[in-house]
Amino acid sequence: GQQLNQSPQSMFIQEGEDVSMNCTSSSIFNTWLWYKQDPGEGPVLLIALYKAGELTSNGRLTAQFGITRKDSFLNISASIPSDVGIYFCAGPGTSYGKLTFGQGTILTVHP
Amino acid sequence: DGGITQSPKYLFRKEGQNVTLSCEQNLNHDAMYWYRQDPGQGLRLIYYSQIVNDFQKGDIAEGYSVSREKKESFPLTVTSAQKNPTAFYLCASRGLADYNEQFFGPGTRLTVL
Repeated sequence: GQQLNQSPQSMFIQEGEDVSMNCTSSSIFNTWLWYKQDPGEGPVLLIALYKAGELTSNGRLTAQFGITRKDSFLNISASIPSDVGIYFCAGPGTSYGKLTFGQGTILTVHP
Repeated sequence: DGGITQSPKYLFRKEGQNVTLSCEQNLNHDAMYWYRQDPGQGLRLIYYSQIVNDFQKGDIAEGYSVSREKKESFPLTVTSAQKNPTAFYLCASRGLADYNEQFFGPGTRLTVL
């Protein structure tokens, strides 16, 4: 089955620093999704990517669909305390309508 | 307001009891999903439904059951056969026009004592 490897597993940064995380797949994807989950809440969709090479921004967040179609990257610029949470990448699952999720990157921001 | 609601937020049950978690959406979405999340782990698919009166098992369906009698509702029953039911349960939905994008509810934390 499809597997997503997300790294790093966790990050501890100072407020104001930039953050980079990535996700790699064992197979080619036609979609990459990035979600953020606040503690005790459901994941919220941040960015959706549908084309290889696509670069999309949402405020301080920027995500890219890798050229090989097997990876994606999420960058957060000038981090703030409310960026704390778990960031998940996701791609199409093994059948229509399903998603495969990465294990998540836990982000901690120190004021 | 359009969205997905899950109730209750916290649920406690004694071991051996069945419990039903509610998921309702007013987004007119056709597909609905149930996921389980354990500490430090990603999301694992329990059951999903692409259309009313039809549903399929996900990766960890054992010990769970669902029904889809109405488009807006997709309740999940955690049965006594589920060996480790304590977890955070997330419901999601997807519209036909949303391609792969799923939208999540706030989750229910189930604790079995």
